[in-house]
Amino acid sequence: QVQLQESGPGLVKPSETLSLTCTVSGYSISSGYYWGWIRQPPGKGLEWIGSIYHSGSTYYNPSLKSRVTISVDTSKNQFSLKLSSVTAADTAVYYCARVGSSMVRGVIRTSYFDYWGQGTLVTVSS
Amino acid sequence: QSALTQPASVSGSPGQSITISCTGTSSDVGSYNLVSWYQQHPGKAPKLMIYEGSKRPSGVSNRFSGSKSGNTASLTISGLQAEDEADYYCCSYAGSDTLVFGGGTKLTVL
Repeated sequence: QVQLQESGPGLVKPSETLSLTCTVSGYSISSGYYWGWIRQPPGKGLEWIGSIYHSGSTYYNPSLKSRVTISVDTSKNQFSLKLSSVTAADTAVYYCARVGSSMVRGVIRTSYFDYWGQGTLVTVSS
Repeated sequence: QSALTQPASVSGSPGQSITISCTGTSSDVGSYNLVSWYQQHPGKAPKLMIYEGSKRPSGVSNRFSGSKSGNTASLTISGLQAEDEADYYCCSYAGSDTLVFGGGTKLTVL
């Protein structure tokens, strides 16, 4: 059974960098699949942040791209999120998830999230 | 990349069927049959209910079905049950290896 667990500080100061790690168990990241981050501000909807392949290939939400870095550590079976220059608007529950892919017109496309972590609340406040 | 449009809320009585719409554009929903649907109960992580427009993951009830027409995808829940009360989100591939979610729909079982 694939399981994901987010970890990191629950409180970050404005203008600083938010850092989270997702530890995967029950599946080796090196075996394939993309792995992603999604966030949900309190009382609001879901927002895709970005995804990474075990090789290090990344895709980011254009609205966050200038502030986001996602990396992978296959030796620890983990992937990580860094979001810089945070403001109160970045306060949210952050989820990590496995990203399923689909074949479209002969090309593989990332398309759905089949396993999710429980989520971790990160509050941006001084 | 704009969020997909979902109704804020829908409701139905036990045993009835309801449909939740998810409207995008010709750049996302309309161009690819890559819409997924998620169920989220309060305080819980989302759960995948439908992927690739109409496929159900193992373990998901066949009361849940998905379809698409033009730029609008739909999730239909038949034989509504109290446990179906939750928030539902659609998500679509939006080109250039990006994904976009809908704003979410709150389903109330009366």
